[in-house]
Amino acid sequence: EAGVTQSPTHLIKTRGQQATLRCSPISGHTSVYWYQQALGLGLQFLLWYDEGEERNRGNFPPRFSGRQFPNYSSELNVNALELEDSALYLCASSMGQRLTDTQYFGPGTRLTVL
Amino acid sequence: AQSVTQLGSHVSVSEGALVLLRCNYSSSVPPYLFWYVQYPNQGLQLLLKYTTGATLVKGINGFEAEFKKSETSFHLTKPSAHMSDAAEYFCAVTGKAAGNKLTFGGGTRVLVKP
Repeated sequence: EAGVTQSPTHLIKTRGQQATLRCSPISGHTSVYWYQQALGLGLQFLLWYDEGEERNRGNFPPRFSGRQFPNYSSELNVNALELEDSALYLCASSMGQRLTDTQYFGPGTRLTVL
Repeated sequence: AQSVTQLGSHVSVSEGALVLLRCNYSSSVPPYLFWYVQYPNQGLQLLLKYTTGATLVKGINGFEAEFKKSETSFHLTKPSAHMSDAAEYFCAVTGKAAGNKLTFGGGTRVLVKP
């Protein structure tokens, strides 16, 4: 069974540009989560989507946004990129909405902002 | 609000020795606790989780953790370290009203000496 996949693996942008990161969940999973792993800041929760709806949002500015498509894949968009947005962005998926449902993580997209 | 503290950002153990990684949490609601491992340039892999029931939880690769409510701890142990255990380990907590958000500790990097 294929795991969570993310694309691209690496992304290099300049300040002020927009970045789009993509995630495909494990087959049968309806929930998708986004986390940011930045140097010195650790792993921080960004967004949770389930059944096409945004269910929860972390403490990030509105220029971080996303969506979930009918096939449950997801996009994370980061507008007006800043240097401090450089990080590894991890996507995770779970089977449902229960707190006890395990979140399975993808390998991440490394975003570098120059 | 929930938080996790992992004591020791780096731990060095000899091959065959006990691995002990410390995790203390803060939560105003009954916690659900997780340990994840991250190998270089990879995403996070679940080692084990505590939701309810038995407080001693066994996971993959010979790891186990014990939930101690009175000490607000969820320490991870492995009786005998293997070279393949070299990685970064993250403790995480969630709970009702957390909106499925995992709150992670800062991580502990384990070095295994031959």
